[in-house]
Amino acid sequence: ETGVTQSPTHLIKTRGQQVTLRCSSQSGHNTVSWYQQALGQGPQFIFQYYREEENGRGNFPPRFSGLQFPNYSSELNVNALELDDSALYLCASSSPADGNTIYFGEGSWLTVV
Amino acid sequence: GQQLNQSPQSMFIQEGEDVSMNCTSSSIFNTWLWYKQDPGEGPVLLIALYKAGELTSNGRLTAQFGITRKDSFLNISASIPSDVGIYFCAGQSVGGSQGNLIFGKGTKLSVKP
Repeated sequence: ETGVTQSPTHLIKTRGQQVTLRCSSQSGHNTVSWYQQALGQGPQFIFQYYREEENGRGNFPPRFSGLQFPNYSSELNVNALELDDSALYLCASSSPADGNTIYFGEGSWLTVV
Repeated sequence: GQQLNQSPQSMFIQEGEDVSMNCTSSSIFNTWLWYKQDPGEGPVLLIALYKAGELTSNGRLTAQFGITRKDSFLNISASIPSDVGIYFCAGQSVGGSQGNLIFGKGTKLSVKP
């Protein structure tokens, strides 16, 4: 177990709705990144947060947004959900003090209908 | 999004056999990582490689960071049934943010007892 916890584990939303996914990083890890993993694919980088600011973003539209809180936990928000947003959303944390090794949580399964 | 070329896509082997899989990229990476993902779970880090030419072992697993910095391989010796799962390579490109990993599409390993 990595110490990265995510919630909820599963959820179903309707097209057009909004969703918020939550992540608690491993103790002491100040960098959080989010990934989208479609079925049968490798994870795709969405963005990264460090010191409560986004400091890296992959090829995802602005309706994917996030937050990081002072305790390093993080949220991923997706607006105007589309059917193709159905995927496993993974949170990962890291820290220079831990060699910048990236540890993943177990993910949140999102189904958009 | 950008992905690595990971091969083979799947392998069916007999228990006790050795396994080899590899990843190649068109661009240079600073870091190569190998993860294993079981159904319904997040990726678990197996081996991290930080230097070109580095050869690292973790039990029955051995991985190498290619000299050109554009490839890596993972070997599993004397496979056992619990080795079943999907193995992903991931790389961190030069200039990329710390949490921005680029993943391969995975190698699905099946082991016959």
